[in-house]
Amino acid sequence: QVQLVESGGGVVQPGGSLRLSCATSGFLFTVYGMHWVRQAPGKELEWLAFISHDGTKRFYADSVKGRVTISRDMSKNTLFLQMNSLKAEDTALFYCARDPSAAGGHYFDYWGQGTLVTVSS
Amino acid sequence: DIQMTQSPSIVSASVGDRVTMTCRASQDISSWLAWYQQKPGTAPKLLIYSASNLQNGVPSRFSGSGSGTDFTLTITNLQPEDFATYFCQQASGFPRTFGQGTKVEIK
Repeated sequence: QVQLVESGGGVVQPGGSLRLSCATSGFLFTVYGMHWVRQAPGKELEWLAFISHDGTKRFYADSVKGRVTISRDMSKNTLFLQMNSLKAEDTALFYCARDPSAAGGHYFDYWGQGTLVTVSS
Repeated sequence: DIQMTQSPSIVSASVGDRVTMTCRASQDISSWLAWYQQKPGTAPKLLIYSASNLQNGVPSRFSGSGSGTDFTLTITNLQPEDFATYFCQQASGFPRTFGQGTKVEIK
């Protein structure tokens, strides 16, 4: 079955960096677009980034543009989110999610369980 | 950015009830809308995509309608497992944006 497992979260100081990973299995990773979505405690969902199936299209939310990079490793069926210059307001549960299309980036049909990022001094 | 506004924020209902909630987009998004269910401590689950298409495995008591700027999610014959928070999400343009959620609680 489809599985998405995030890792890499933790406590980091303001200005620090983290690299989140999302290990996938149960589907052909190379034909699906992928997203990162976050949710601050008690808050609504916030879409962050999308990468197309082949990595040629990438889109970012303004709130993280220039500070994060989405990437994927086809050989390892893994999605990444490199986050730099972290701020307190980045504290959230970060989810990876599969898009049911290759390059449309429209919806999220499978989600991981999330990895918690806490930005605090 | 396209703003998504959901109402009501909370709806109190009983098992067996019919529940309706709405989502309004700040501009025309055609049928590019999805609905998700989220229970505490778990990831969201896709229920409806393209405004009215039921995701595989989702019970038929869930239905979606609307186009343009106004959309509705209806749950008929509410079941105990349906008490959760429901989010809408527009898929018309980047950035993808979500509504603030409607919580369905036990009356």
